[in-house]
Parts: sequence; C-alpha cells; structure tokens
Amino acid sequence: GESVGLHLPTLSVQEGDNSIINCAYSNSASDYFIWYKQESGKGPQFIIDIRSNMDKRQGQRVTVLLNKTVKHLSLQIAATQPGDSAVYFCAEKETGGYQKVTFGTGTKLQVIP
Amino acid sequence: EPEVTQTPSHQVTQMGQEVILRCVPISNHLYFYWYRQILGQKVEFLVSFYNNEISEKSEIFDDQFSVERPDGSNFTLKIRSTKLEDSAMYFCASSVGQGREQYFGPGTRLTVT
Repeated sequence: GESVGLHLPTLSVQEGDNSIINCAYSNSASDYFIWYKQESGKGPQFIIDIRSNMDKRQGQRVTVLLNKTVKHLSLQIAATQPGDSAVYFCAEKETGGYQKVTFGTGTKLQVIP
Repeated sequence: EPEVTQTPSHQVTQMGQEVILRCVPISNHLYFYWYRQILGQKVEFLVSFYNNEISEKSEIFDDQFSVERPDGSNFTLKIRSTKLEDSAMYFCASSVGQGREQYFGPGTRLTVT
C-alpha cells in the first residue's frame, strides 16, 4: 500500500533560524514529490516539487532533498520568518499517469519571534 | 496572479440534501481535481477530471458524488444525498498538464447537520 507520513507533528523554531521538516514515504512507485504549505483557513499552497531523478532542488529560501534509498524527503527553510508559520504537507504522486496526489499528515511549524 | 476560486466559502446543509460546490479553475489549466479535508486530518484525493471525463477517482468518490464542467469556466462537485460524515473542507485544484503542479482553491467548508 502507499503511505506518506511525517516524522514530527509540531516543530518550533526561532525566527531567523533554519527549519527542517522531514517526511517518509513507502510507495516505491512514487516519482514526484511536492511540499505544500497550508495556512489556517486556506487551501494548500504549492511550495516546491522534485522528481525522482533528482536528489536536491532549490527555490527561494527553500530546499527539498530526496533520498530514494531510504524513501525520505525533507524541506529546509532558510532564515525562518513569522510568515512561515503554517502546516506543511509532503505529498507524492505515482508514475503511470496517475493524477492523484497523496498527502501526508502534516507538520505544524511555529516560528517564535 | 491567476488563482482557483471556490464558492460558497461555507455551506450548511441538512443530512439527505443535495449540495453543489463550485469552482473556477485557472483559465489555461486542463486538469481539474477535488480533494477533501476532514477537520484535523490530511487532505484526501477525491477525483480528477480531464477532457470532460473522470480520469481517476478514489474509493471515497462513490455513487453519491459526481463532477461536471457545465461550461468553459466552472467545475462542480455534487453530493446527491449528504451524510454527516461528508462534513469537511472541499478543495478544488487545477493544473496546466498531467504531472504538473496543482494549484488549490481556498476551499468550501461543508457542514452537514
């Protein structure tokens, strides 16, 4: 079966520090991974994605690392800001033309000013 | 920046009633999706839609659910006879192509009493 899960339900970080949110997946057929940010009362917001032929991808203040050997994904946020406070979901999609995105359970990031 | 919009933001209905949730996807997007999120739980895929037909659906999407693109801009989710357990946030999403990032709307909170 497929499973995407997060290691920590809540993460508190000091403003200005770097944040690392981890995610484990178990579906070997997954070849596309996405991080979403969900603020209270809003829909998931796309942050960054990575395909299985890569192990690292960088965006603005964010980096996603993919380790296919141990089926692990992480999101690094540099210089965390109060506006980064939200729930972060990792999500995966399978090869074979499937459209559905399977979400993990979410990690709540709290930024301490 | 173009965004997915959804109406209404909150819908209250009685058990057994039909509801229609409406979405306007991003205009040049070709793939459309519905997801739901029960309070405090993860986001769950319901259905994907492309070229005027369902391309994929989950086990949640039973005969009580249907989707439609009645015109060139709207995408709707109908629940024929609502149950208490249908209470959730319903998110519409769209993507420009298969395997491309999905952009989510703000959601409709459905409360079944």
